[in-house]
Amino acid sequence: AQTVTQSQPEMSVQEAETVTLSCTYDTSENNYYLFWYKQPPSRQMILVIRQEAYKQQNATENRFSVNFQKAAKSFSLKISDSQLGDTAMYFCAFRVAGAGSYQLTFGKGTKLSVIP
Amino acid sequence: NAGVTQTPKFQVLKTGQSMTLQCAQDMNHEYMSWYRQDPGMGLRLIHYSVGAGITDQGEVPNGYNVSRSTTEDFPLRLLSAAPSQTSVYFCASSYLTSGVAYTGELFFGEGSRLTVL
Repeated sequence: AQTVTQSQPEMSVQEAETVTLSCTYDTSENNYYLFWYKQPPSRQMILVIRQEAYKQQNATENRFSVNFQKAAKSFSLKISDSQLGDTAMYFCAFRVAGAGSYQLTFGKGTKLSVIP
Repeated sequence: NAGVTQTPKFQVLKTGQSMTLQCAQDMNHEYMSWYRQDPGMGLRLIHYSVGAGITDQGEVPNGYNVSRSTTEDFPLRLLSAAPSQTSVYFCASSYLTSGVAYTGELFFGEGSRLTVL
């Protein structure tokens, strides 16, 4: 079974600063997907960024980037130039790649507060 | 641009009552699923479906039933509610690639907060 661990229950960052959220996972699979989802106070979950395990290049989406370390099973999210709208719960998630694999395993989440 | 719509948003039940949480999507997604979110637990998969007439169990299926008669709708039924089912429920959907796999980007509804007394 796969597990996803987010060791930081809560974090805060000053507006315009950079923050890194940690995520580690445990799996015996070689091919998989990793995700960061954002859940703002309004509660609707949205995808922030996705990484395929077979790609060595770290994914980036505007101010969001990841540091994917496959050997260490680490998948951290960096948010640059933090904005008030980044205040949310952030969930790291994992899914095995391949046909018939549907379960997305989530970490417990990190509550991020951006301080003006 | 509705996306995934869940109803109701809030519900209070007494132990032993039954109810159905509704989920509808207008994106023609083959894959639909139900998650529950509990404090300090992240999200856990209850049931999922890869098409009309096809459903399967997730990580925490006990106490819940589902059916999928159309591509658009995927209701979640609680036949006899228990306090342990107090939670926030999310419906999520996605495309399938070649009918068997999805890229993993889930589109979520806004959630339904259920309290069982």
